[in-house]
Amino acid sequence: QVTLKESGPVLVKPTETLTLTCIVSGFSLTNARMGVSWIRQPPGKALEYLAHIFSNDEKSYSTSLESRLTISKDASKSQVVLTMTNMDPVDTATYYCARIRRDYDYVWGTYTSGAFDIWGQGTVVTVSS
Amino acid sequence: DIVMTQSPDSLAVSLGERATINCKSSQSVLYSSNNRNYLAWYQQKPGQPPKLLIYWASIRESGVPDRFSGSGSGTDFTLTISSLQAEDVAVYYCQQYYFTPPYTFGQGTKLEIK
Repeated sequence: QVTLKESGPVLVKPTETLTLTCIVSGFSLTNARMGVSWIRQPPGKALEYLAHIFSNDEKSYSTSLESRLTISKDASKSQVVLTMTNMDPVDTATYYCARIRRDYDYVWGTYTSGAFDIWGQGTVVTVSS
Repeated sequence: DIVMTQSPDSLAVSLGERATINCKSSQSVLYSSNNRNYLAWYQQKPGQPPKLLIYWASIRESGVPDRFSGSGSGTDFTLTISSLQAEDVAVYYCQQYYFTPPYTFGQGTKLEIK
């Protein structure tokens, strides 16, 4: 059974750095077909992509938040870590990690992009002094 | 970034009736080399994480009831629920995964029972 579980602080103060951890089970972070993404959702609002990482350490970030985000992984611990600096009350949200499932394109010999097939339950982060 | 726009923002449908949600992308998400549309649909029930329903615009994820179907190509896509059940009350999101990063989502469509 594939699962992802997020953990991190419930409350952070403005200007602090947020560190979130996603522990995965049922698949390996060394599997080239799989990646892990972070997504957030402010209360009552839509989903917002933050970052993702693949087995070869290929990583990417939200265009608008790139300067504040860092994603990394430790395959031996089955965990993916996201840090977000300079937190602000507008960053109050539920933060999710999700698995990205890719296909292999045999014509081009590359992996395609993929949808987010398994999600964690999310962790609620409030930014307040 | 590609902008995904869903319509309507909210929808009320009677039990057993058809529900249709639209999604439009600001650029085509059809990759001509493999003829695939890089478009997914998710369902999010209150207090739960999103659940993948449809990928490649029209492929149902394993375990998803066949009353859910996806269609469309290029920039215009539709999620159809053929016969609405009470458990289908949720917010539905489309997402493109062609031009990444970022993986952009629509603003969501709230589906309720009339």
